[in-house]
Amino acid sequence: DQQVKQNSPSLSVQEGRISILNCDYTNSMFDYFLWYKKYPAEGPTFLISISSIKDKNEDGRFTVFLNKSAKHLSLHIVPSQPGDSAVYFCAASSNSWGKLQFGAGTQVVVTP
Amino acid sequence: GAGVSQSPSNKVTEKGKDVELRCDPISGHTALYWYRQSLGQGLEFLIYFQGNSAPDKSGLPSDRFSAERTGGSVSTLTIQRTQQEDSAVYLCASSLRGSQETQYFGPGTRLLVL
Repeated sequence: DQQVKQNSPSLSVQEGRISILNCDYTNSMFDYFLWYKKYPAEGPTFLISISSIKDKNEDGRFTVFLNKSAKHLSLHIVPSQPGDSAVYFCAASSNSWGKLQFGAGTQVVVTP
Repeated sequence: GAGVSQSPSNKVTEKGKDVELRCDPISGHTALYWYRQSLGQGLEFLIYFQGNSAPDKSGLPSDRFSAERTGGSVSTLTIQRTQQEDSAVYLCASSLRGSQETQYFGPGTRLLVL
């Protein structure tokens, strides 16, 4: 079953505006969440993570928000740049096991 | 290099043949993972090695798939009697220890089974 869901397969945003990517999960055992970015023909690149003891983590233009009660997290990219055009994957894991469960990804296109 | 490396980068094989995919993790990382991404799909966990512990094989899709990690470093993923549905990008990742650690991915091996 799909324990991590990214319901928007694609997102188009204008350069300079905010990109908001959403992710929902079903397993309450998840306590560590990550966002990865992937360009074609490359492996995923780590962007930002958040532990379940926090509700927000910020790194430069990237901020991840976690709402544990809603089992929802989001990634905000501000301001969006053309180089941000890529597929973004949400991933989750539990302290009891190291493997990551990935969402299906969201293709972001930043237009000039 | 400092990152995770994988070889070959591309592999084309005929149905029924065996293939071996190699992963060199980041030096000093004790945890190693294999995932695959089929066309249009997200990443699917296959197997996880952590130090000297027994590997977590819960994601292997069939007994045609196996993996080993020699000397706590290099890992080989073997697919026997390949099928067309095995066509995917096979990704290897490593992390410093294990759970709640960032996993760093290699560039992947693109496998095409004809």
